Amino acid sequence: AQRVTQPEKLLSVFKGAPVELKCNYSYSGSPELFWYVQYSRQRLQLLLRHISRESIKGFTADLNKGETSFHLKKPFAQEEDSAMYYCALGSGNFNKFYFGSGTKLNVKP
Amino acid sequence: GAGVSQSPSNKVTEKGKDVELRCDPISGHTALYWYRQSLGQGLEFLIYFQGNSAPDKSGLPSDRFSAERTGGSVSTLTIQRTQQEDSAVYLCASSRGGGNTGELFFGEGSRLTVL
Repeated sequence: AQRVTQPEKLLSVFKGAPVELKCNYSYSGSPELFWYVQYSRQRLQLLLRHISRESIKGFTADLNKGETSFHLKKPFAQEEDSAMYYCALGSGNFNKFYFGSGTKLNVKP
Repeated sequence: GAGVSQSPSNKVTEKGKDVELRCDPISGHTALYWYRQSLGQGLEFLIYFQGNSAPDKSGLPSDRFSAERTGGSVSTLTIQRTQQEDSAVYLCASSRGGGNTGELFFGEGSRLTVL
């Protein structure tokens, strides 16, 4: 069965520290993976997708098929990164997206 | 409009009453999704529309839940005989469909509270 797991509900780091938000998935096909972010009082929005191999706001995520992971990383966290982060798995035709339960990132000054 | 619009933004109702939640997607987006966001539960998939048809209704929690989409645009999620466990934020999202890059554009959600 398709599943996305984010093991941490809350992650607190100090400004300038590295941050890694974990995401593991299970999917029988070829996965399409995404990270979505929800800042306070804003709507959920796409942060990055693995097929683009892009870095957005200093964040990167590498798909590791062997470990079935898609962890989100940033070398130096900023206070404005504080938000709720959701990992998502898209099925082949994008007719269904499976979301994890989310990780709240709190970056302390 | 510039983005996905949902109404009402907040709805408080009594147990047993019916509610309707509306979603107006981005113009030209053929795919529309409904999710339920409960505290600590992440986003729960409810239903997906491609045009006016719903090829996947597997996420609807019970037969009290139904959704329709007309004119390939506006969608309505109806919850009949609401229960307290229906309290959640209901999110709507749309995407371009065919040639979809996989980006979902979300509305601000409708917060439902069932007393």
